[in-house]
Amino acid sequence: AQSVTQLGSHVSVSEGALVLLRCNYSSSVPPYLFWYVQYPNQGLQLLLKYTSAATLVKGINGFEAEFKKSETSFHLTKPSAHMSDAAEYFCAVSDPGNAGNMLTFGGGTRLMVKP
Amino acid sequence: NAGVTQTPKFRILKIGQSMTLQCTQDMNHNYMYWYRQDPGMGLKLIYYSVGAGITDKGEVPNGYNVSRSTTEDFPLRLELAAPSQTSVYFCASSPRGEWYNEQFFGPGTRLTVL
Repeated sequence: AQSVTQLGSHVSVSEGALVLLRCNYSSSVPPYLFWYVQYPNQGLQLLLKYTSAATLVKGINGFEAEFKKSETSFHLTKPSAHMSDAAEYFCAVSDPGNAGNMLTFGGGTRLMVKP
Repeated sequence: NAGVTQTPKFRILKIGQSMTLQCTQDMNHNYMYWYRQDPGMGLKLIYYSVGAGITDKGEVPNGYNVSRSTTEDFPLRLELAAPSQTSVYFCASSPRGEWYNEQFFGPGTRLTVL
């Protein structure tokens, strides 16, 4: 069974500082990987996804993530945090071949941005 | 396109009551899903459907039922509400095709069982 681990349930950064949110997965085959963002009282929206085309994936709002097979990681980064980035972020994995495009989610990381 | 819509937004139930959470999508997606979100636990899959008339259990199906009579609608039924079902419920949909297709989420229903 797949699992996704997000290290740090809460991360706090200052405005303008680097954002690094960690995601590690366990899967027997190279999976597809996703980062979703959830703003307060809203549903989840896709930030970016890895589909094996390129290991460095760029997403919306200046976020990017790098797939590292040797480390089974897919960490999310943004060079300079903005107050509007405060939200909860979820890493998710999909095994190729699973019926129904099902996702397994990590526990989430709440990002706080200090002025 | 409205995308994925869910009703109601909020609901308070008493123990033992029943209710149906509604979910509708207008993107003609074959796949639909119900999740529950509890603090620090991420999202757990309750049920999913790969098309009209086809449903299957996810990770946490106990206490819930679903049906899928049309492509657009995927209601979730709670028959005997329990405090453990207090949670935020999200419906999502995804197009059939590539395994890396993303899921599109509704705004959620916040349910409290007292």
